[in-house]
Amino acid sequence: DTEVTQTPKHLVMGMTNKKSLKCEQHMGHRAMYWYKQKAKKPPELMFVYSYEKLSINESVPSRFSPECPNSSLLNLHLHALQPEDSALYLCASSQVRDRGAEQYFGPGTRLTVT
Amino acid sequence: DAKTTQPTSMDCAEGRAANLPCNHSTISGNEYVYWYRQIHSQGPQYIIHGLKNNETNEMASLIITEDRKSSTLILPHATLRDTAVYYCIVRADYKLSFGAGTTVTVRA
Repeated sequence: DTEVTQTPKHLVMGMTNKKSLKCEQHMGHRAMYWYKQKAKKPPELMFVYSYEKLSINESVPSRFSPECPNSSLLNLHLHALQPEDSALYLCASSQVRDRGAEQYFGPGTRLTVT
Repeated sequence: DAKTTQPTSMDCAEGRAANLPCNHSTISGNEYVYWYRQIHSQGPQYIIHGLKNNETNEMASLIITEDRKSSTLILPHATLRDTAVYYCIVRADYKLSFGAGTTVTVRA
C-alpha cells in the first residue's frame, strides 16, 4: 500500500481566515513533504520533515506553518493568505529523507483564496 | 541538482511502446534518475528510478546510457490512461526538483 491521503480535497478561504490542510500516511515512512503547485507549473518543494522534525524550509512565508504531530500525520496551517497562494498543495512521504528513497504523493488539496 | 532536458510533448499510439527521452549531461556520480508522471489534477505518481543500471518494474523500464548523460523511460504497451505529464528528475539529495516535463498524449 503506497497511499497518502489528504483532506480536504478542495478549500475556499478568505484572506483573513485560518484553515489547516491535513496529510496522513500509514506506510511507516519517516520523511514527509509539502509541495505547492500553481496552475500549469511543476510542483515546488515547501517543507521537509524527517523523524517528525522540520529539516528543510524552502524560504516559505510565515503565513504557512507546518506541523508534524506524529510519524503518520502532517498538517499545514494557513493564515492571512493572499490570492496568489491559490494552488494545489501536495503532500508526499518517503521511507527516509534520502535521494534513493522514492516519494509517494497524495492527491492534493486544491486551495482557492478569495 | 543536474538539469534535465525533455521534449515538450509527444504523441503515442495505444498499444504501442512509448519511449520518453531525457538528457542530463551534467549528472554527477551520486545522482539518481527518477521518473514521475502526473495525470491531470492528480498528485504526481512515482514510476521508477535508477542510478547506473537499467531498471524494470510493473509500470515501465528505465534505460540509462553507459555515460549516464541520458536515459529513456519505456512504457511497453501504452494505454489511454497513460496520458499525462512525465517528469524526468535528477536527484542528489532530499529534493525532487520538477522541470516542465513531457506532455504525453496516447491516441486510440
